[in-house]
Amino acid sequence: QKEVEQNSGPLSVPEGAIASLNCTYSDRGSQSFFWYRQYSGKSPELIMSIYSNGDKEDGRFTAQLNKASQYVSLLIRDSQPSDSATYLCAVNTDKLIFGTGTRLQVFP
Amino acid sequence: EAQVTQNPRYLITVTGKKLTVTCSQNMNHEYMSWYRQDPGLGLRQIYYSMNVEVTDKGDVPEGYKVSRKEKRNFPLILESPSPNQTSLYFCASKRTGPGHYGYTFGSGTRLTVV
Repeated sequence: QKEVEQNSGPLSVPEGAIASLNCTYSDRGSQSFFWYRQYSGKSPELIMSIYSNGDKEDGRFTAQLNKASQYVSLLIRDSQPSDSATYLCAVNTDKLIFGTGTRLQVFP
Repeated sequence: EAQVTQNPRYLITVTGKKLTVTCSQNMNHEYMSWYRQDPGLGLRQIYYSMNVEVTDKGDVPEGYKVSRKEKRNFPLILESPSPNQTSLYFCASKRTGPGHYGYTFGSGTRLTVV
């Protein structure tokens, strides 16, 4: 079992819709969780971090954490074509482990 | 501007010719790390450093060396590059200590070994 799992996608959503990206992890001792956005050929950019169970909102982004079920998700409201990118989930145990990413496509 | 600077951005080299990829950060971060990113495999950690003169292997250290003589610099050395080291490389840094901190990544180095 991979330590951090994400569906590779692509996840295709129309402009203005909500995009929902999911991530599961295997280490129950994980303490902090991050979402990175990566445009093709570019470096990952930190967009959200979450440490406690529940929701954390920042603009159009909401991160959700459920430690009992070992999943973390990212919701993007009012999706824009500029949101089209690969989204990487990263989980901090004794080191930061990345999932392989979900490719999001937002079409006009 | 707070940033991690990697050089070069692109590099084509031949098998066996030693090369160094430089990484420098201006945020006074203690922790620095090197990753390689390959299609379908995601980001894999090569080496990391908790502080000056402290380095340790990540998940895929074979064929690589690093050094941390100064806090700001963390070069990646390929003593005898091979084609299977063709990849996209990222340097990253973060704060340590109480709290939770994410990485700041450099802009990447695309290496091709022929």
